Amino acid sequence: ETGVTQSPTHLIKTRGQQVTLRCSSQSGHNTVSWYQQALGQGPQFIFQYYREEENGRGNFPPRFSGLQFPNYSSELNVNALELDDSALYLCASSRGGLAGDTQYFGPGTRLTVL
Amino acid sequence: DQQVKQNSPSLSVQEGRISILNCDYTNSMFDYFLWYKKYPAEGPTFLISISSIKDKNEDGRFTVFLNKSAKHLSLHIVPSQPGDSAVYFCAASVANDYKLSFGAGTTVTVRA
Repeated sequence: ETGVTQSPTHLIKTRGQQVTLRCSSQSGHNTVSWYQQALGQGPQFIFQYYREEENGRGNFPPRFSGLQFPNYSSELNVNALELDDSALYLCASSRGGLAGDTQYFGPGTRLTVL
Repeated sequence: DQQVKQNSPSLSVQEGRISILNCDYTNSMFDYFLWYKKYPAEGPTFLISISSIKDKNEDGRFTVFLNKSAKHLSLHIVPSQPGDSAVYFCAASVANDYKLSFGAGTTVTVRA
């Protein structure tokens, strides 16, 4: 059974560009959540996808968008990148979308915006 | 608005002794609490959780205590081992909700 994987590991972009980050869920999991972790802070919830539908969203602007595919892998897209978007982006998968369903995290993608 | 707070950014403890990590929350609707451990270059790893209907949950060397009236929880690690050196995050959620609210983390260093 493979765990949660994310690609790429590191990424450098410039302001105004667009970026796509990818996540493969753990086997048997149908829910993916995305978090942003800025330096020195805890992860902040961006949104969650359950069976290909957005299931909830945190306090992030619309330029943060996502997709979940039939195989339950997921993408996070960020348009019009800003310097403050520099962070570690974590994806987590779970068997369901509720509080009692433990979320298992991938290693993250480190995004640097110059 | 930080609803989960870990006020101690770091903790240093001698191997074999007890590590106590603290976490406070402000949202009275939270009823499920978790601790995650994170090593450098890895994602957070689930450690232990507790539901609000309990005040204690134990798993091997790890015990989580919940004081709902004080909106406070703590993680005890006994005995502490060098492999426990990591960043520990406290997280909370509301039943039938989906998002986890995290604290800023506490870096634990276990000295030999």
